[in-house]
Amino acid sequence: EIVLTQSPATLSLSPGERATLSCRASRSVSNYLAWYQQKPGQAPRLLIYTASNRATGVPARFSGSGSGTDFTLTISTLEPEDFAVYYCHQRNDWPLTFGGGTKVEI
Amino acid sequence: EVQLVESGGGLVQTGGSLRLSCAASGFTLADHWMGWVRQAPGKGLEWVADVKSDGSETKYVDSVKGRFTISRDNAKNSLYLQMNILRADDTAVYYCARDQGRAYESWGQGTLVTVSS
Repeated sequence: EIVLTQSPATLSLSPGERATLSCRASRSVSNYLAWYQQKPGQAPRLLIYTASNRATGVPARFSGSGSGTDFTLTISTLEPEDFAVYYCHQRNDWPLTFGGGTKVEI
Repeated sequence: EVQLVESGGGLVQTGGSLRLSCAASGFTLADHWMGWVRQAPGKGLEWVADVKSDGSETKYVDSVKGRFTISRDNAKNSLYLQMNILRADDTAVYYCARDQGRAYESWGQGTLVTVSS
């Protein structure tokens, strides 16, 4: 099983600041890495697929990078609606796995 | 508009069974792999199972193998998860999701399953 480790667990920032979230895989997942955003009481929302491609309707302030074992989700300028939990997810091998999440809080 | 609506959750005793359904609309179900993902209260996301577009192939996380069965009826635009021998650690919100191969592109609102003794 590929283990995804997200860091930090919590990121305390203010609106307007830049957020950098990390996801590290226990072995290579090539570029088969996705990122999701989840707000309280809501289903996850796809942000990024294949490491760096924004999903439909996702603002340009969200960007993804990386390949192999190290990946980054960057939010260039935090908006109030961006405070949420973010999960990475690997699609390279079964079983599919998710990281433990990073909470971006004010 | 793509819509996924789960149903069938509820309270069940340890060792019991439950069948979840997911009604799909706004797209052709037969064109997509589909999956179930769960989230225990206050915890992160956990992949549960996936089924190929024609139902010929299924994948499961180890913790549910032999107890859960994922299936689909493309003619009825529906996805199912039959859950048997339920345990307390199966308590979670269960989401159905459309698998685009690259990611779960669309998600339902989830249905809560509570397993209690």
